[in-house]
Amino acid sequence: EPEVTQTPSHQVTQMGQEVILRCVPISNHLYFYWYRQILGQKVEFLVSFYNNEISEKSEIFDDQFSVERPDGSNFTLKIRSTKLEDSAMYFCASRTRKALGKNIQYFGAGTRLSVL
Amino acid sequence: DQQVKQNSPSLSVQEGRISILNCDYTNSMFDYFLWYKKYPAEGPTFLISISSIKDKNEDGRFTVFLNKSAKHLSLHIVPSQPGDSAVYFCAASADAGGTSYGKLTFGQGTILTVHP
Repeated sequence: EPEVTQTPSHQVTQMGQEVILRCVPISNHLYFYWYRQILGQKVEFLVSFYNNEISEKSEIFDDQFSVERPDGSNFTLKIRSTKLEDSAMYFCASRTRKALGKNIQYFGAGTRLSVL
Repeated sequence: DQQVKQNSPSLSVQEGRISILNCDYTNSMFDYFLWYKKYPAEGPTFLISISSIKDKNEDGRFTVFLNKSAKHLSLHIVPSQPGDSAVYFCAASADAGGTSYGKLTFGQGTILTVHP
């Protein structure tokens, strides 16, 4: 069964360093998302990406964050200068074009980002 | 952001009995609702969904009920099995006239434990 894959599973970095989290969405999907979950808190939306551009972003997604789809398969989230409060699980998700009003998103296993 | 709330942090049920997980929402623009299951160290796994034009959707042991007037949905699992033990998240999205790209808003999650 097709699945969303994320690498690495755990990333440890020093405050102020840049990190890139990688995702390979399901191959025929067209909409891509990043969410994050800080320990003990809700899963929060960061950004959605469609047709090679950002379609929506949350207030969390400030100038330190960027997303890219550098080729036909990868979808990346870059944090330019990490802060302690960026420590969280980051989930990538993808879905097909809506069918009959459905919005079913499929999630990867996540990358645990630890900022020291 | 309390647009989606799951007021019960945990639920404990005996194997074979019914599990009922509840979710309330405040945003009347939400028109699609989903339940995800999450095991430790894994991403959310899609379980079942319902559109706002329906009040019930069933898939095997899982049934989701939607009460739009009360802005309430519930997930029923019958019969419950020990393998159902996980964190269950309710999520919602708004189509916003077709311009939304499907951002999901999550509840806090309910930890379900099914005892043999």
